[in-house]
Order: sequence, then structure tokens, then C-alpha cells
Amino acid sequence: EVQLVESGGRLVQPGGSLRLSCAASGFTFSSYWMSWVRQGPGKGLEWVASIRQDGSDKFYVDSVEGRFTISRDNAKNSMHLQMKSLRAEDTALYYCARVGGGWFSSWGQGTLVTVSS
Amino acid sequence: DIQMTQSPSTLSASVGDRVIITCRASQSISRWLAWYQQKPGKAPKLLIYEASNLESGVPSRFSGSGSGTEFTLTISSLQPDDFATYYCQQYNNYLYTFGQGTKLEIK
Repeated sequence: EVQLVESGGRLVQPGGSLRLSCAASGFTFSSYWMSWVRQGPGKGLEWVASIRQDGSDKFYVDSVEGRFTISRDNAKNSMHLQMKSLRAEDTALYYCARVGGGWFSSWGQGTLVTVSS
Repeated sequence: DIQMTQSPSTLSASVGDRVIITCRASQSISRWLAWYQQKPGKAPKLLIYEASNLESGVPSRFSGSGSGTEFTLTISSLQPDDFATYYCQQYNNYLYTFGQGTKLEIK
């Protein structure tokens, strides 16, 4: 069974930094693109970033480009999202998702990031 | 960037009804479209991929169609478990965009 477990979310001040993690199990992690998708409170879904199987390619939504960095450790079946210069509008539930083709085939339960003073 | 527009934003329907949700892309995306169901407090669940392929385990009352810029999600006979929010999502050139969502409510 595919399992994705996010961690690292917490309350952080504007301008601060945070590192999210996603622990994967139940599938061959190194064979899949992986992504982060977020959902603001009461809002819709927004794709944030994706990373190729070997980490050689990374893509970001414009609003986080230059502030967020996606990475992965295939030896540890884990993915990370390093976030800096956080803004109030980054407040959201951040989901880790496995990419299948051009869609998100499996999702974690999310980790909550709150940016507020 | 490709924009996705869903309609309607809210839909009121009854058990047994046939409902259709529409998703329009701002430019052609071939068949690179997926549909998700999300219930309150839960992660989204993949229903349909590549416009019309039913994800394993998803009931056959769900179906998807379309290509290019116009897509639809059809639920043939609404069940109580289907009241939720539905999102379309496109994939193009390594980037992804979701529609704003359609909340399906009980009439």
C-alpha cells in the first residue's frame, strides 16, 4: 500500500524559513516523479513544485520560484521542501503527492504551515 | 500559464440525479486532464486521468470526456457518498494547474 507521510509544518513568522519532509513507503520511490501541492484555508488546490526521479529536474509555480527548493533522497525514500522568505499567503496545508503521468495518483494527509506574527 | 475554469462553482443535486461538471482550459491540453474528489478534512482522491480513464477502484458511475480545451466529469446516478468538492487539473510542459473546484451539495 502506498503511504506518504508529511511532517515539519508549524507556525512561523513572516520572513522565516521551514523545511517540510515527506516519507514514502509501499512503492519504488526512485521510479516516480514527486510533487508538493498546497491548499490554503478554505481555498482550492495549488501545485507548488515537482522533482524528477533522479532529482535532475525541478519545477515550481511562479509564486514560490526562488524562495522554495524541492529535493529528494532516494536512499531514504524521502522528499523535502525547503521554504524561505515565507509570506502570509504561503499559509496552507501542504500535501506530498506521487506523480503518475500527468496526474497525482497518491496523496499524503498533509502538514499545516501557518505564516503569521 | 494555462488557466482552468470549472463550472458551476456550486451544484445542488439529489441522490439519483445525473450531474455534469465542466472544465475549460485556456489553451489546448490534448487529453492531459485529471479529476479529483475531495471531502472535508481529507486529501484529494484521483477519479479520472487522461480525460477519460477511470482510476482503479473508482465506481463506474463516474466518467470523463473531452479533449483540447473542453472537458466534462459526469456522475451518472448520484450516491450519498458523492457529495464533495471536485477539481479538474491539467498537465502541460511539466507544469500543473487546478480548476477552482465545484462543490456538489445535497438539494
